[in-house]
Amino acid sequence: EAGVVQSPRYKIIEKKQPVAFWCNPISGHNTLYWYLQNLGQGPELLIRYENEEAVDDSQLPKDRFSAERLKGVDSTLKIQPAELGDSAVYLCASSPRQGDRGQETQYFGPGTRLLVL
Amino acid sequence: AQSVAQPEDQVKVAEGNPLTVKCTYSVSGNPYLFWYVQYPNRGLQFLLKYITGDNLVKGSYGFEAEFNKSQTSFHLKKPSALVSDSALYFCAVHPKADYGGSQGNLIFGKGTKLSVKP
Repeated sequence: EAGVVQSPRYKIIEKKQPVAFWCNPISGHNTLYWYLQNLGQGPELLIRYENEEAVDDSQLPKDRFSAERLKGVDSTLKIQPAELGDSAVYLCASSPRQGDRGQETQYFGPGTRLLVL
Repeated sequence: AQSVAQPEDQVKVAEGNPLTVKCTYSVSGNPYLFWYVQYPNRGLQFLLKYITGDNLVKGSYGFEAEFNKSQTSFHLKKPSALVSDSALYFCAVHPKADYGGSQGNLIFGKGTKLSVKP
């Protein structure tokens, strides 16, 4: 079974430029998460989708970040414009929605490492 | 505020020796508890989780963790460390609502770097 796929793996851009990250979750997983991982820190949730609905985007900086999961499968996270402080690893994860979601294991992709110059 | 603490930034052990990576949490009720491992330039890999029942949970690669309700801890252990265990380990908790179901989202600790020397 294929895992969570993310692309690109690395991205270097200049500040004020736009950037987009793509995630394809494990087949059949209804729940999709985007996390931000700063150096030396644990992942922090940006947004959580149940199918195509963003059910928790309270931590997403909506002035510059946006996300979509139009068909309830793959998802795109966008930053426009990027700032120096956005340099981090962006992780995507997915889990099957089979009951109490807190019990579910989240499966992570390899992440996209973003460097903003 | 709900939080997860991993008090050691780094743990160093010799190969063959037992290892412990500590985790404590400050979350109301009895949350669901997880351990993940991250190898360089890789995403997080699930190791084990505590949902309910036996306080000692066994997981992948010979790892186990013990839930201690009174100390609000969930330390990760392995009887005999391998060099290949060297990685970054994250403890995470998922809060539960008063009615028993989950609420909020997974909260991660800052991670502990495990170094196993030959």
